Amino acid sequence: NAGVTQTPKFQVLKTGQSMTLQCAQDMNHEYMSWYRQDPGMGLRLIHYSVGAGITDQGEVPNGYNVSRSTTEDFPLRLLSAAPSQTSVYFCASGVRAYQPQHFGDGTRLSIL
Amino acid sequence: AQTVTQSQPEMSVQEAETVTLSCTYDTSESDYYLFWYKQPPSRQMILVIRQEAYKQQNATENRFSVNFQKAAKSFSLKISDSQLGDAAMYFCAYNNNNDMRFGAGTRLTVKP
Repeated sequence: NAGVTQTPKFQVLKTGQSMTLQCAQDMNHEYMSWYRQDPGMGLRLIHYSVGAGITDQGEVPNGYNVSRSTTEDFPLRLLSAAPSQTSVYFCASGVRAYQPQHFGDGTRLSIL
Repeated sequence: AQTVTQSQPEMSVQEAETVTLSCTYDTSESDYYLFWYKQPPSRQMILVIRQEAYKQQNATENRFSVNFQKAAKSFSLKISDSQLGDAAMYFCAYNNNNDMRFGAGTRLTVKP
């Protein structure tokens, strides 16, 4: 049972670079989401998707793009990395948003 | 916007004792869901307990129970017979529609 798989686990970028954080789930969940976790602030919702082809913004969407071409995959793209985007990123999935969410192991991203 | 407040940044409990973690939230909605998630040092987010706002009965999962006070917008977590493995960050979370909001977390230390 793979659950929710995030890659990479660690990444260091330079300001202005772009990259994609990958997220895949094998539980056929319709709802998927991305969060960032910063010290003292808990998790904040970046973007979410309620199914293939449908995405929407969360609490802190600026600087990030997402797409959902399949039920399984929900990549998060940083268009032009900024130091303020240094954080730990979590992907999660659930049958619905109000159902228990399954989280990936997180990606620690540092932007210099 | 909905907000979730955890007023106790840190708590400690003696092994086998009981501890209560506080959570309050702000919402104008009547139908929503509340969660407690645990994050041990491994960084994995694990669901502890879930409460539907339309249910008056407090949710219970083994040693974990909640005190849900809808009118007061309060959702505290009680851990009975605390174990060393309960040591972790605990996050309170609120869900309405597809939006999820987390509190800043409470770090629980369990003393042997």
